[in-house]
Amino acid sequence: AQTVTQSQPEMSVQEAETVTLSCTYDTSENNYYLFWYKQPPSRQMILVIRQEAYKQQNATENRFSVNFQKAAKSFSLKISDSQLGDTAMYFCAFRGTGANNLFFGTGTRLTVIP
Amino acid sequence: DGGITQSPKYLFRKEGQNVTLSCEQNLNHDAMYWYRQDPGQGLRLIYYSQIVNDFQKGDIAEGYSVSREKKESFPLTVTSAQKNPTAFYLCASSRGAVSYNEQFFGPGTRLTVL
Repeated sequence: AQTVTQSQPEMSVQEAETVTLSCTYDTSENNYYLFWYKQPPSRQMILVIRQEAYKQQNATENRFSVNFQKAAKSFSLKISDSQLGDTAMYFCAFRGTGANNLFFGTGTRLTVIP
Repeated sequence: DGGITQSPKYLFRKEGQNVTLSCEQNLNHDAMYWYRQDPGQGLRLIYYSQIVNDFQKGDIAEGYSVSREKKESFPLTVTSAQKNPTAFYLCASSRGAVSYNEQFFGPGTRLTVL
């Protein structure tokens, strides 16, 4: 079974600074998909960024980028120029090829300090 | 606007009662999912449906039941057999059950057993 580990329960960052959230996973599959979801206080889950394992290039979405290390099974999220609206729970998720569900980590609570 | 709606936002249940959580989507998505979220944990899959009149158990299906009579609707019933039903429930949908398809989430229902 796939497992996803987020070892940082809570983090904080000063507004406009950069922060990196860690995620590791365990799988025997070669092709799969990784996601970062954001859950703000409203509790609405929002997709932040997606990475396909067969693509070597790290995904980027505006201020959000990932560092995908397939051999190390690591998938960290970097948030640049942090904004107050980035305050939320961030979940790393894994989905195998042909799988029907996402496997989630336990989340990292990020607080952006003004 | 296209999206996923869940109702009610808050639900209170007495022990021994069955309750049904509503999930509706107008995204024309084939696949729908129910997840449970507990404090300090990530989301866990309860049931999923890839197509109308078909659904499959997820990791924690015991004490829950679903139906998929219409493409737009995927209600979840929490039965009295569910020993610890107090949790936050999230419904999601995707174009298909293929790995790369993004899952879109509803706003959630908070269920409390009194």
